[in-house]
Amino acid sequence: AQSVTQPDIHITVSEGASLELRCNYSYGATPYLFWYVQSPGQGLQLLLKYFSGDTLVQGIKGFEAEFKRSQSSFNLRKPSVHWSDAAEYFCAVEPGGYQKVTFGIGTKLQVIP
Amino acid sequence: DGGITQSPKYLFRKEGQNVTLSCEQNLNHDAMYWYRQDPGQGLRLIYYSQIVNDFQKGDIAEGYSVSREKKESFPLTVTSAQKNPTAFYLCASSYTLYGYTFGSGTRLTVV
Repeated sequence: AQSVTQPDIHITVSEGASLELRCNYSYGATPYLFWYVQSPGQGLQLLLKYFSGDTLVQGIKGFEAEFKRSQSSFNLRKPSVHWSDAAEYFCAVEPGGYQKVTFGIGTKLQVIP
Repeated sequence: DGGITQSPKYLFRKEGQNVTLSCEQNLNHDAMYWYRQDPGQGLRLIYYSQIVNDFQKGDIAEGYSVSREKKESFPLTVTSAQKNPTAFYLCASSYTLYGYTFGSGTRLTVV
């Protein structure tokens, strides 16, 4: 069975600083990979996804993620964080097609002035 | 606009009572899902359905039941057998390769 690890439960960054949220997965082949964002009391919103091809994918809100097969990682990045980016971020893995998606436990991002 | 509507936003359940959470989508997605979210535990899959009149148990199905009589609707019933139902419940739908679309959630509290 696949698994997802988000090693950082909480991260604090200053507004305007760069951000990298880590995600590692365990799966025999290359799965479909996703990042979602959740504001307090709300549902999750899809930020970006990777299925194949270019390993650097662009998403909404200025986020990007890089798939590294050799490291089984799919880290999320943003060059300059805004206060409105404070939220919880979830990495997710799907083996392919209509199969069960596994979510990481989330990384809560705090942005300080 | 297309999306997923969950209702109610807040729900209170008395001990021994069954309650039903509504989930409706107008995205024409085949697959629908119910997740439970607890602090520090991420999202855990309760039930999912890939087509009408068919559904499968997820990782934590005990104490829950679902139906899928229409493509647009996937209600979740939290039964009295669920001993710790206080949580945030999220419904989602998907069309393969596009990721999930989530509703805004229902917060269930036992009183």
